Amino acid sequence: EDKVVQSPLSLVVHEGDTVTLNCSYEVTNFRSLLWYKQEKKAPTFLFMLTSSGIEKKSGRLSSILDKKELFSILNITATQTGDSAVYLCAVEATGNTGKLIFGQGTTLQVKP
Amino acid sequence: DTAVSQTPKYLVTQMGNDKSIKCEQNLGHDTMYWYKQDSKKFLKIMFSYNNKELIINETVPNRFSPKSPDKAHLNLHINSLELGDSAVYFCASSQVGTGVYGYTFGSGTRLTVV
Repeated sequence: EDKVVQSPLSLVVHEGDTVTLNCSYEVTNFRSLLWYKQEKKAPTFLFMLTSSGIEKKSGRLSSILDKKELFSILNITATQTGDSAVYLCAVEATGNTGKLIFGQGTTLQVKP
Repeated sequence: DTAVSQTPKYLVTQMGNDKSIKCEQNLGHDTMYWYKQDSKKFLKIMFSYNNKELIINETVPNRFSPKSPDKAHLNLHINSLELGDSAVYFCASSQVGTGVYGYTFGSGTRLTVV
């Protein structure tokens, strides 16, 4: 069965810290891996990764995919209280249906 | 303009009732989805429609019935509501064929069954 596992499940840090969130997967016919940030409402898109070893970057956030070891990491440097959210990892697999398989999420709390 | 809009945002109802949640997208996407997010924030796909055709139907009780009158709308009807149906239901849309670029979620409907 297709599976996406995130770790840690929750994390508390102080402003200015750097955090690394992990996502591992076992899926049939991997197509892409996506990271989302969810605050109070809808998940909002952060990154989509399809190729190994190519870092995607947006401001203080960056992400990389390792298709050989079947995992991805999301890094956030110089964290701010506004980074507090649930970070979701999802994988698109098996055919061109658009179905996303989500991990359990990592709840990040950034304290002032 | 809201890209994917769901109504209602909140729904509190008694066990045994029947309720519907509506979803509309104005992105011109050809595929729409329903996801359920439980209290532990785990998001799981329920259904997907591509151009009004059902293409994903996960293991969901048949009390849940999706309906897509056109490719911009996907509604979810739930019969005989149970306590375990309490969750946040998200609608989403995407253009399949371009991968999952532009995959957009609505703001969710929080369903509470009492």
